[in-house]
Order: sequence, then structure tokens, then C-alpha cells
Amino acid sequence: DTAVSQTPKYLVTQMGNDKSIKCEQNLGHDTMYWYKQDSKKFLKIMFSYNNKELIINETVPNRFSPKSPDKAHLNLHINSLELGDSAVYFCASSQDTTENQPQHFGDGTRLSIL
Amino acid sequence: KQEVTQIPAALSVPEGENLVLNCSFTDSAIYNLQWFRQDPGKGLTSLLLIQSSQREQTSGRLNASLDKSSGRSTLYIAASQPGDSATYLCAVRAAGNKLTFGGGTRVLVKP
Repeated sequence: DTAVSQTPKYLVTQMGNDKSIKCEQNLGHDTMYWYKQDSKKFLKIMFSYNNKELIINETVPNRFSPKSPDKAHLNLHINSLELGDSAVYFCASSQDTTENQPQHFGDGTRLSIL
Repeated sequence: KQEVTQIPAALSVPEGENLVLNCSFTDSAIYNLQWFRQDPGKGLTSLLLIQSSQREQTSGRLNASLDKSSGRSTLYIAASQPGDSATYLCAVRAAGNKLTFGGGTRVLVKP
């Protein structure tokens, strides 16, 4: 009965490959997010979707393309992976976009680029 | 541009001692502030959320204060236990439900 689940948990791949990370939430939330946590442990928002519509895009390279087939899912596809993409990627969700709603996080996907 | 700083970056205390974790932010125009716990290899668990109109929030042994005008929040953990060992992150929320995170404080509670 995990609230926010991401797959895979670990992803090791070579530079130049294309990969996808999936996220699903069973909380009935309208809003979902992708965050990147770098080697210094700083978490930064990448994207946010509300009811399948993109609402936040934080100057992320266009090699990163989020896709929301429905409001319970927000997947992240990355083209032409680079060494600097190695990080932990977290998915999160909140009830809606109002600022008093807490965000609930998944366990992260650890992406390592060889 | 909002910047969030957490000091110290790491903290080690003997079991039973109280923990004091500090968070500061540069732009006081926030909606709320949220404290999270992150265990190694795990995601973030929300601990406390303080609205901008509130001064503090309490949950069990945890108490978080917020002084929006000075851009500070403090998380107190009373009578620390080895199970409290984790990284604690604070995040401030601006318009659009965007969270800006600090770098975290890594806590070790020694038995």
C-alpha cells in the first residue's frame, strides 16, 4: 500500500542511452513532481504536473521529458544520458497546487551513468 | 532567488541529549516551511509543516519553530534515540507549491 512508488529503484546504464523512470501515486492527488538530488544532497525541483498539465519546468535540459498519462502517473524519460545525470531522482505528489498541502515523496531512483 | 541553509551539516550526540537543528532562508515571502527526515537509501518522510502564520508545530518529541521575519526555523528533538539517526531536511514553499530545500543536517545519535 505504498503511497508514492517509483521504478526502478536502481538504474545503471551507459552514457548516450535513453532511459525511463516511472512514478505512481495511490493517494488520489492531483499534483505530481520530479526532483533531482545531486551528490551534495541538494534536492531541486525539475517538473510539476497538475491534472496531467505541466505547471513547473525549472530550466531542465530538453533531454528530460516528463509524461503524465493520467493524474496518478508521472513518468520521466531521459534521452542521451550524460555523466552529470547521475543522481537520485525523487517523485512526489500533493493533493493540489495550493501551498498548504504537504508533499509526499517516493523512495527515489538511483541513476548511475557509466 | 530563495536560498535555504542548514547548519550544522552534521551532528553527533549521545543518546538522551536534545537535538537542535537550524534552518535559515533568504526570502521571507514563504507560504510555509516543511521539515523532512531522509534515511539512507530511502525517500523523504514529512515530519512537520508550519504555515507562515504559525510560530511552531509539535508532534511527539519533535517541535519546530518558525520566525518568518528573520528567516529562521529550528527543529528540536527531545531525548534523542539511536533511531533518530538520519538526515533532516528543511524546505520552504513559495507560490505554485515549489519547494526549495536546504542541504540537510546529518544526525548520528550514539547509544
